[in-house]
Order: sequence, then C-alpha cells, then structure tokens
Amino acid sequence: DADVTQTPRNRITKTGKRIMLECSQTKGHDRMYWYRQDPGLGLRLIYYSFDVKDINKGEISDGYSVSRQAQAKFSLSLESAIPNQTALYFCATSGGKDTEAFFGQGTRLTVV
Amino acid sequence: GEDVEQSLFLSVREGDSSVINCTYTDSSSTYLYWYKQEPGAGLQLLTYIFSNMDMKQDQRLTVLLNKKDKHLSLRIADTQTGDSAIYFCAERRTGRRALTFGSGTRLQVQP
Repeated sequence: DADVTQTPRNRITKTGKRIMLECSQTKGHDRMYWYRQDPGLGLRLIYYSFDVKDINKGEISDGYSVSRQAQAKFSLSLESAIPNQTALYFCATSGGKDTEAFFGQGTRLTVV
Repeated sequence: GEDVEQSLFLSVREGDSSVINCTYTDSSSTYLYWYKQEPGAGLQLLTYIFSNMDMKQDQRLTVLLNKKDKHLSLRIADTQTGDSAIYFCAERRTGRRALTFGSGTRLQVQP
C-alpha cells in the first residue's frame, strides 16, 4: 500500500460544482501539503498544515479550502469549480523541518 | 515557482551523461532537492544537498552547488531509458514552511 494515498485518481466535473479531493497517509507525519501542477509551472503550494489545528494558505489558495480531519487525513475542496482549476493535484507529507516530502500519486482534475 | 528556474526540456542519447540545471534566487536556502516524476506518478526524492556543500555524489548522480551564482545542477552518468522523466529542483528557504519548486525539466532519453 502507498504511504500517501489520494482519491480519486481522476475526476471530471462541471463548472460550478463542489468537489473534494482526499488524502490519507500512513507515515505518521504531522505535516501535510496540497500542491497543484500545471505544465511549465511546476508545483505551486495551495495549502499546508503542520498539525490538526493548523491550517495555512499557500501561494495560490483562492478558490480552495482544506480540512485536516485527523493527523492522517487532509482534504482539499473546490467550492465552485472553474475550468482554470483543471490541473494535476498532489498531496504530500513530511516529518519535520528539514526532511524530504513524500508525495501521493496525484489526482487529475478536469473542470468542463 | 518563479523563483526557481529550470529549462523545460533536455534530450540525450542512451549512455551519454545528462546535466539538468537549476537557478534559484534566495541565498537563505538551506536544502536543495532533486525530485523525479515518472509518467502517471507522484514525485520521488532523488537526492538533496545541504547549502554548505559544493558537491554530492550518489552512484550515477552528481549534484553540484554554486552558491555564489545560486546555481544547482544534477548530472546523471550513463543515462538509461528508465531515466526519462520530469526532474524538479526544489529549495527549502529559511523561514518558509514548504518547498519551492522549479517548473521541471523533461528528460528524454533516446535509444
């Protein structure tokens, strides 16, 4: 089983719909992150959380919200999806300040 | 990540060496990382270097860091078709709570 699991792996949704992407991890890490990947732009940070009560905006948080339901679970929501939110979304975890980040397999989201 | 720049594409022949370059702007970066993304997969850490080092070697991988020029490179010796992927450099800056990624370099290895 993967250490960082994202569901769904692929999703097509309509403009205006609410959608939730889920992430769970078995690494026991406190730190969790959501990134989006667009061709030629690399990964950009949406939100991050360093423990259950900690939620922080990243560089592109507009149009997104998150929930840290438990140490192992961090979900990303699009309240009203729009086509320019079509992207590949990655969840990641890390164990501390200077440790590597472990990534999930990604969720490919298409908003039509 | 506009503060971390990479060229978008590199093509090499199997058996040759590949050199992927990265420039960053923040001199306070503490760690610099190289991640590999294979098609349909997430990112996997390849190697990293601490900012007080100039070079790190790990089997076929050599990382060179020029702090003065804020330039990082990844050299892959004897490149194989299995090395075809997107390679991201990333930096961890002092005071920042997450990594800043470059745009990624797509490495294509031709047989």
